[in-house]
Amino acid sequence: DAKTTQPPSMDCAEGRAANLPCNHSTISGNEYVYWYRQIHSQGPQYIIHGLKNNETNEMASLIITEDRKSSTLILPHATLRDTAVYYCIVRMMNTGFQKLVFGTGTRLLVSP
Amino acid sequence: EAGVTQFPSHSVIEKGQTVTLRCDPISGHDNLYWYRRVMGKEIKFLLHFVKESKQDESGMPNNRFLAERTGGTYSTLKVQPAELEDSGVYFCASSPGGGRMDTQYFGPGTRLTVL
Repeated sequence: DAKTTQPPSMDCAEGRAANLPCNHSTISGNEYVYWYRQIHSQGPQYIIHGLKNNETNEMASLIITEDRKSSTLILPHATLRDTAVYYCIVRMMNTGFQKLVFGTGTRLLVSP
Repeated sequence: EAGVTQFPSHSVIEKGQTVTLRCDPISGHDNLYWYRRVMGKEIKFLLHFVKESKQDESGMPNNRFLAERTGGTYSTLKVQPAELEDSGVYFCASSPGGGRMDTQYFGPGTRLTVL
């Protein structure tokens, strides 16, 4: 079962930063935090993942708190195309074959 | 590089009929996963292949579902006979495997409607 808690919905103005929180208070030391999103009628899309250090790629930044009990996905300049459901998922490391357990995610609506 | 492809994109069948969904993973990916989202529910794992072998089929709902991956390339998921509750979107994902951290890449899904 999903081990994360996310707000059901968030709004963001186009061009502004979208900060999506995730609580994973029971995360263990060998679990990564993964973020995926699902744009309407498409398959889930990988965004980013991290263990304990902050991570950044061309899509987003991931900020993980020092105690690793929560994290924030940051879309620095949200566009209308970023409207999607965002999923925060915890997965064990060193077991590359583990299934993804999706929760209900956060529905992000980016408005003009 | 081509992504994960799925066929068909949509399928409408009547209860009791058989449907076969196909997934072509990213070339060279050993791992292939099936997931589905049924109406109003979360995306749920169905099963996982490593090459042609079933690694984990704990999410398969019942014996009406049969997945195969002959030759370790594409995979098929057959539903026989289909029931109303099987309606939903079926996603396939693949990942490289080989000990690397396993980021799964998803296909666009097949929307199945059972009438």
